[in-house]
Amino acid sequence: GAVVSQHPSRVICKSGTSVKIECRSLDFQATTMFWYRQFPKQSLMLMATSNEGSKATYEQGVEKDKFLINHASLTLSTLTVTSAHPEDSSFYICSARTAMGGNQPQHFGDGTRLSIL
Amino acid sequence: GNSVTQMEGPVTLSEEAFLTINCTYTATGYPSLFWYVQYPGEGLQLLLKATKADDKGSNKGFEATYRKETTSFHLEKGSVQVSDSAVYFCALSHMDSNYQLIWGAGTKLIIKP
Repeated sequence: GAVVSQHPSRVICKSGTSVKIECRSLDFQATTMFWYRQFPKQSLMLMATSNEGSKATYEQGVEKDKFLINHASLTLSTLTVTSAHPEDSSFYICSARTAMGGNQPQHFGDGTRLSIL
Repeated sequence: GNSVTQMEGPVTLSEEAFLTINCTYTATGYPSLFWYVQYPGEGLQLLLKATKADDKGSNKGFEATYRKETTSFHLEKGSVQVSDSAVYFCALSHMDSNYQLIWGAGTKLIIKP
C-alpha cells in the first residue's frame, strides 16, 4: 500500500520550455503533498507544501511564479517549472501524506530527473 | 528548533558485516522518527519508523529503537548485503514544525562483496 507515482521519470528539454511533473497517490487519499528538490549528493530541500483545494505554501527562497503547484484532487498534485533554465536542472521528488493525521509518514515518488539544455 | 544529525558517510563495509548508522535528534516532546532509504537514481522509500519512546521499528532486517534518554534513533542491521548499498536518511516530524519532515544529511552506505 501507500504507492506514489511520479511522472515523467526523466525530462530533457530546451531552455525556456515549461515542464509539468505529476504526482499521484495510487491507493490512498493525500490531503497533503510535498515537493522537494535534491542536488547531487545532498539531502532533500523542501520547496513547497501542497494542500488539496488550497494554495501551496512555499519555502523561503522558492519562487512561486517559477514553480507552479496545483493540488486539485486528493490524489493528484502537479509541479510546473515555468520557462525552465539550466540552473533549474535537478532531481525533483514528490511525496504524499495520508489524510489520517499529521504525524503519518510521507510516501515518496521515484523522482523526476530534469535536465535543461 | 528541531534538527537531525546523522553520521557522515560514506560508510564502507564488507558483505555480512554489522551495520550501525548513528542518528540523533533535537526536538521538544516526542517527535516521530523515520529512516528512509534512497537507492541510486530513485526516490525515497520509507524503511522504518517509530512514534514513541522505546518503540522499535524494523523492516528488511534493519532495526532502530527510539531512545528518548539519548535522543537517538540509530539504524542497525546484523548482516548487510551488497543490495543494501544506498543512501540512508534519518528524519523526524513534529507538530511544532507542522509535521514537515526534518532531514538528516544522509549517509551513503557502500557494501563490498
